Amino acid sequence: QVQLVESGGGVVQPGGSLTLSCAASGFTFSSFGMHWVRQAPGKGLEWVAFTQFDGTDKYSADSLKGRFTISRDNSKNTLLLQMNSLRAEDTAVYFCAKGVTYGTTYYFDSWGQGTLVTVSS
Amino acid sequence: QSVLTQPPSVSGAPGQRVTISCTGSSSNVGAGFDVHWYQQLPGTAPKLLIYGNTNRPSGVPDRFSGSKSGTSASLAITGLQAEDEADYYCQSYDNSLSGWVFGGGTKLTVL
Repeated sequence: QVQLVESGGGVVQPGGSLTLSCAASGFTFSSFGMHWVRQAPGKGLEWVAFTQFDGTDKYSADSLKGRFTISRDNSKNTLLLQMNSLRAEDTAVYFCAKGVTYGTTYYFDSWGQGTLVTVSS
Repeated sequence: QSVLTQPPSVSGAPGQRVTISCTGSSSNVGAGFDVHWYQQLPGTAPKLLIYGNTNRPSGVPDRFSGSKSGTSASLAITGLQAEDEADYYCQSYDNSLSGWVFGGGTKLTVL
């Protein structure tokens, strides 16, 4: 069965950097687009970033202003999120999610359990 | 403020039917992009509930159904059960933002 396990969360100071990882198993990782979605404490879901199955196309939310970079290593079945210039408002649980194409876009059919990032001094 | 608008909360008694609306605009739902729905039980990750407006993944009870018309979509839950108490989110794609968007979420309370 599909398994997505995030890691790398923790407490970081404002302005700092952090890299999250998502280890995938139970499916052919290199065949699927992957996403990061976050959820601030007590708030709703917010899409963060997407990478196509082969890593050639990548998109991230405009609100992030280029501070976050998504990447993947298909040889290691791993999805990454490099986060720079972190702000208090980036505090959230970060989920990785497997994308499934439907029509012209994606839905998220499997999710990890999430990793908590806390930005605080 | 979310791109897709959902009511903050809905409630119903066991056995009743409730609906949750998801209102978008001409750059997302109205542009023809499909709507998908997720259920998030307290303290857990979201789970896919409905994909492609009306389709249920394997294992999702047929008490859950989805529909879409124009710039809006709806999730209906019939025969409410205590275990349905959760947050529900709609999701689509927005071509003016060039990204995936969620509704703000709706908390379902089973009375």
